[in-house]
Amino acid sequence: QQPVQSPQAVILREGEDAVINCSSSKALYSVHWYRQKHGEAPVFLMILLKGGEQKGHEKISASFNEKKQQSSLYLTASQLSYSGTYFCGTAANTGNQFYFGTGTSLTVIP
Amino acid sequence: GAVVSQHPSRVICKSGTSVKIECRSLDFQATTMFWYRQFPKQSLMLMATSNEGSKATYEQGVEKDKFLINHASLTLSTLTVTSAHPEDSSFYICSARGRRRGDTRQYFGPGTRLTVT
Repeated sequence: QQPVQSPQAVILREGEDAVINCSSSKALYSVHWYRQKHGEAPVFLMILLKGGEQKGHEKISASFNEKKQQSSLYLTASQLSYSGTYFCGTAANTGNQFYFGTGTSLTVIP
Repeated sequence: GAVVSQHPSRVICKSGTSVKIECRSLDFQATTMFWYRQFPKQSLMLMATSNEGSKATYEQGVEKDKFLINHASLTLSTLTVTSAHPEDSSFYICSARGRRRGDTRQYFGPGTRLTVT
């Protein structure tokens, strides 16, 4: 049930780009992306609905390929504040449970 | 809008006692709430889905007699950890989904850190 994310961990220098992938074994209705700082609850980044859409705000964007049951999160020109653990979350349809992915630890260094 | 609160934020209890955690949607009505548990350096694992007015649906491997969930109203769900043991020490987070049709977004509470001694 749990989506698989890759990579598990990544270290970037400020200004570099990163891509985080999320893959599910189930057909998806929506994919959500969150960032979690240590000891805190996850913070919502964006949601993508079935339809293959791509979304973004500022330097963080995402795509959703429902046929492949995959989503990717793109971080460009990373900043120190981007550090944290990123989770995708998936829902099979509006009435089903919501599962978090395995997580990707991202560290941005000066 | 769409604020979810949890209480308490931290709790320490002795082994064998029970602990209740409350999850409230403050400015919206939530037909569905979810309870997650997160161990250090791991992902958030769904424990159960609670729907207002009906029994919770538990994930495989989660003991329903140990983790009692009650969703008595559209704004409140509670998780009671019964006969807690040190291995139950974890970060527990609830989330709520709004009532609007097609609203699949999850609104998270700030989490409760449980330590069982």
